[in-house]
Amino acid sequence: DIQMTQSPTSLAASVGESVTITCLASEDIYGSLVWYQQKPGKSPQLLIYGATILEDGIPSRFSGSGSDTQYSLKINSLQPEDFASYYCQNGLSTPWTFGGGTKLELK
Amino acid sequence: EVQLVETGGGLVQPGRSLKLSCVASGFTFNNYWMSWTRQAPGKGLEWVASITNSGGSTYYPDSVKGRFTISRDNAQNTLYLQMNSLRSEDTATYYCTRDPGYPGIALFDYWGQGVMVTVSS
Repeated sequence: DIQMTQSPTSLAASVGESVTITCLASEDIYGSLVWYQQKPGKSPQLLIYGATILEDGIPSRFSGSGSDTQYSLKINSLQPEDFASYYCQNGLSTPWTFGGGTKLELK
Repeated sequence: EVQLVETGGGLVQPGRSLKLSCVASGFTFNNYWMSWTRQAPGKGLEWVASITNSGGSTYYPDSVKGRFTISRDNAQNTLYLQMNSLRSEDTATYYCTRDPGYPGIALFDYWGQGVMVTVSS
């Protein structure tokens, strides 16, 4: 199974700042990396797939990068609605595994 | 508008069974793979099962293989998850999800509101 390791597990930032969350796959997933956002009490929402492709309707302050085993999610100019949990997912092969999550909190 | 509405959750004793349903609307159901993903209280996400658009193939992680069965009724736009031999570690919110079929990548573009399953005596 492909293990997905996210860091950090939690992160405190202020509105207007930029943050980066990283995701490390235990083997090369050839760019088949997906990012989700989950707000408290809500269902996850698709943000980015294919490591870099922004889902329709997602603000351009979100961006993804990476290849092979290392991937990143960057959020520029944090807005109040961005404080949430973020998960990466291996989309290459079953079992489709998720990272443990990163909780982004307001400083 | 795509909607996925799960039902069937509740409190069940260890070793017993439960069947979840997910009614889909707003898209052509039989064109899409569908999946179930769960989230234990305060924990992360875990993929539970997937089924091809025709229902001809199914996929599971080892944690539920042999105990859970995913199925679908394309005429009724409904996805199911039959859960047998339930364990306390199956306690979670279960989400019905759609896979848009992007080439080479399994991903979930729509999620239901989730249904809670609690396994406890």
